[in-house]
Amino acid sequence: GAGVSQSPSNKVTEKGKDVELRCDPISGHTALYWYRQSLGQGLEFLIYFQGNSAPDKSGLPSDRFSAERTGGSVSTLTIQRTQQEDSAVYLCASSLGQGANTGELFFGEGSRLTVL
Amino acid sequence: SQQGEEDPQALSIQEGENATMNCSYKTSINNLQWYRQNSGRGLVHLILIRSNEREKHSGRLRVTLDTSKKSSSLLITASRAADTASYFCATLLKGGYSTLTFGKGTMLLVSP
Repeated sequence: GAGVSQSPSNKVTEKGKDVELRCDPISGHTALYWYRQSLGQGLEFLIYFQGNSAPDKSGLPSDRFSAERTGGSVSTLTIQRTQQEDSAVYLCASSLGQGANTGELFFGEGSRLTVL
Repeated sequence: SQQGEEDPQALSIQEGENATMNCSYKTSINNLQWYRQNSGRGLVHLILIRSNEREKHSGRLRVTLDTSKKSSSLLITASRAADTASYFCATLLKGGYSTLTFGKGTMLLVSP
């Protein structure tokens, strides 16, 4: 595709349920990032992938959060036993080469998660 | 903790005026990037400035970097209503992973 694609665009779930958010990066981009943005706030870093490995997962807020990337392309962010404080927009970005060392990040439109 | 902090948090100007946003950071950086976010949308990259650069231009945008003061500024000249958006600075720490750390942003409102 032409840009970073994220799905679903909106997800409403009940507290305690698991959710999966998907990111399809720009073809050929080896670096992939997940960020979280709460209402009116900046972006909170979650995890960075280079290829299929995650050299930096320091931003994952708890062990309920996990992410994987297969085939150096699509990534899935999984939140288990969701809590109301997980409500936010989850943004995915991809980049060429060594990611932000090389240049810009290209962002998707985000997945808005609401936990009731 | 926030590496980059933008100032002001909100800015309201008239079309045709210049808008200046500032960003301060705490530790040595590899590069600093500015992004724009329209309401409810993803972020769009505006400009990247490396630690050995002092100024860069792109169209109506001018970015400066002062590593001695650990600060950067984004100037938008001759602003337009379409420039209304939130603007974020993001820093890549020196020697770290390729992780960009974002500030909380400046919300710019340009009135016709």
